[in-house]
Amino acid sequence: AQKITQTQPGMFVQEKEAVTLDCTYDTSDQSYGLFWYKQPSSGEMIFLIYQGSYDEQNATEGRYSLNFQKARKSANLVISASQLGDSAMYFCAMREALNTGGFKTIFGAGTRLFVKA
Amino acid sequence: DAGVTQSPTHLIKTRGQQVTLRCSPKSGHDTVSWYQQALGQGPQFIFQYYEEEERQRGNFPDRFSGHQFPNYSSELNVNALLLGDSALYLCASSARAGKETQYFGPGTRLLVL
Repeated sequence: AQKITQTQPGMFVQEKEAVTLDCTYDTSDQSYGLFWYKQPSSGEMIFLIYQGSYDEQNATEGRYSLNFQKARKSANLVISASQLGDSAMYFCAMREALNTGGFKTIFGAGTRLFVKA
Repeated sequence: DAGVTQSPTHLIKTRGQQVTLRCSPKSGHDTVSWYQQALGQGPQFIFQYYEEEERQRGNFPDRFSGHQFPNYSSELNVNALLLGDSALYLCASSARAGKETQYFGPGTRLLVL
């Protein structure tokens, strides 16, 4: 079974600085997809960034980039120039194939990010 | 373009009661998945609906059931509520049975007293 591990329960970062949120994964599949979601206190899970296992380039979306190291099975999220609005829970996730042909998303335990002014 | 919508936003029930939660997927999406998120944890997969059928179920009892309508909207029903069912229930929509990125709704917070 696939597994996502986030070892940082909480992280602090100074406003305008960069921060890296760690994520490691375990899968025996050759083709897989990795995601990062942001969950503010309101509860909505907001999609941030996606990395496919065969993508040669690291994914970037604005201030978010995914540091994908396939051999190490890690998919760390880098947030540059942190803003106060970045304070939230961040989940690393993986797409897992269902035996019916569909897919579901499995999530790590999450990292709570606090941005200090 | 409306995103995923869910109703109600909050709900308070007592043990033994039944509850129905509703979800409308993002435009162009045909697949709806439901997740339960207990406090301080990541979401857990309940089940997925595609083409009006339950395609796969996670590790949840039969008290949890659902339905998908021809317009792709979906309902999650929970019978005989337990205190442990208190959680945030998230609906996610996607295209092609989840092969594309899942987009989540704002969730329904259920409190069972």
